[in-house]
Amino acid sequence: DAGVIQSPRHEVTEMGQEVTLRCKPISGHNSLFWYRQTMMRGLELLIYFNNNVPIDDSGMPEDRFSAKMPNASFSTLKIQPSEPRDSAVYFCASEQGTEQYFGPGTRLTVT
Amino acid sequence: AQSVTQLDSHVSVSEGTPVLLRCNYSSSYSPSLFWYVQHPNKGLQLLLKYTSAATLVKGINGFEAEFKKSETSFHLTKPSAHMSDAAEYFCVVISNPYGQNFVFGPGTRLSVLP
Repeated sequence: DAGVIQSPRHEVTEMGQEVTLRCKPISGHNSLFWYRQTMMRGLELLIYFNNNVPIDDSGMPEDRFSAKMPNASFSTLKIQPSEPRDSAVYFCASEQGTEQYFGPGTRLTVT
Repeated sequence: AQSVTQLDSHVSVSEGTPVLLRCNYSSSYSPSLFWYVQHPNKGLQLLLKYTSAATLVKGINGFEAEFKKSETSFHLTKPSAHMSDAAEYFCVVISNPYGQNFVFGPGTRLSVLP
């Protein structure tokens, strides 16, 4: 298996633009997680899905952030409109049992 | 509530000397504990995990961790540091009995000096 796949790997955008981050989990994994990593806050859980259903989105910072999982092999995290403080590395992870496997991350820079 | 404390934000060792990265946790349930490593500009990789089996857990790259319930600790060790071990290390506890919602520690940056 190729592991968790995220795209794009790097994204630079201007404030106010819509940003969409994508994730393909490992086949057969039932849970998917979105994290954000910054120097100030470390790793934060934003939202997670079980069998494509959002279970806990309490970590989503505000209404500008939304996540979907239309099927078992794809998820998106959207920021609209983006702001400079959204600059971070966003990780997607999928879970088998109690092990989470992380993707390589998307480095987002909002200018 | 569950939480993880990593007592050292930065640890520096010489190549060939032992590594000790400290982690203490609090959990309302019997915890599952993990150590992840993150190399610069890379994603997170699982080093090892404890899930209520043997208290001494062996992981990849020669790392070990020992679960000590009485001390609520899960320290990471390695007998001899290698230059390639320089990275950020995260201790993680699962925060509920259903196996989801990882709680990450703040991380410890390990530097290895030649």
